[in-house]
Amino acid sequence: ETGVTQTPRHLVMGMTNKKSLKCEQHLGHNAMYWYKQSAKKPLELMFVYSLEERVENNSVPSRFSPECPNSSHLFLHLHTLQPEDSALYLCASSPQGASGGTDTQYFGPGTRLTVL
Amino acid sequence: AQKITQTQPGMFVQEKEAVTLDCTYDTSDPSYGLFWYKQPSSGEMIFLIYQGSYDQQNATEGRYSLNFQKARKSANLVISASQLGDSAMYFCAMREGSGYSTLTFGKGTMLLVSP
Repeated sequence: ETGVTQTPRHLVMGMTNKKSLKCEQHLGHNAMYWYKQSAKKPLELMFVYSLEERVENNSVPSRFSPECPNSSHLFLHLHTLQPEDSALYLCASSPQGASGGTDTQYFGPGTRLTVL
Repeated sequence: AQKITQTQPGMFVQEKEAVTLDCTYDTSDPSYGLFWYKQPSSGEMIFLIYQGSYDQQNATEGRYSLNFQKARKSANLVISASQLGDSAMYFCAMREGSGYSTLTFGKGTMLLVSP
């Protein structure tokens, strides 16, 4: 089974909608991440969870709300988004979540979000 | 200042030839890690290779090798014997020593492999 899965793969929503992105990792990792990838910009880290606790929040607007119910699942709840939020949202996981060693991040296929 | 710089927006290479993708980085932390990822048009970021700042030898993984020049702060990716399936965006990323394992990515290089 694929290591990190994301659903849905594509999402189109209006600015008043509420939707959620789901990420699941089957690698037994302790840390999970949300990234945003906009056109012509580097990947931007949004949130980091380590052992289900949020350890980093990179000044992300409150219209993005993460949830990590357990170490295998990560959600990104979306509400009242703006057209500039249209992007590819990537989820990743890593074994430790802490510095030291390789702690390589493994990514899912992403959700391509379009906000109308 | 950018922490990761990839100066080549696009590169072209013929099948079976080798290609080098450039990456320079900026950090004052003595402990850091450097990563290369491949992103095909499908969107998934695929981990390719890792180099730690204290590693004495350049990392290699199959057809991928990392030309690590610490004094110059460069970590170029070398792909030998290019294949058509290597056509993709390639991102260099760095994790600095302290704190949690967050990565800073460069803007990427688009590699096109022609027959």
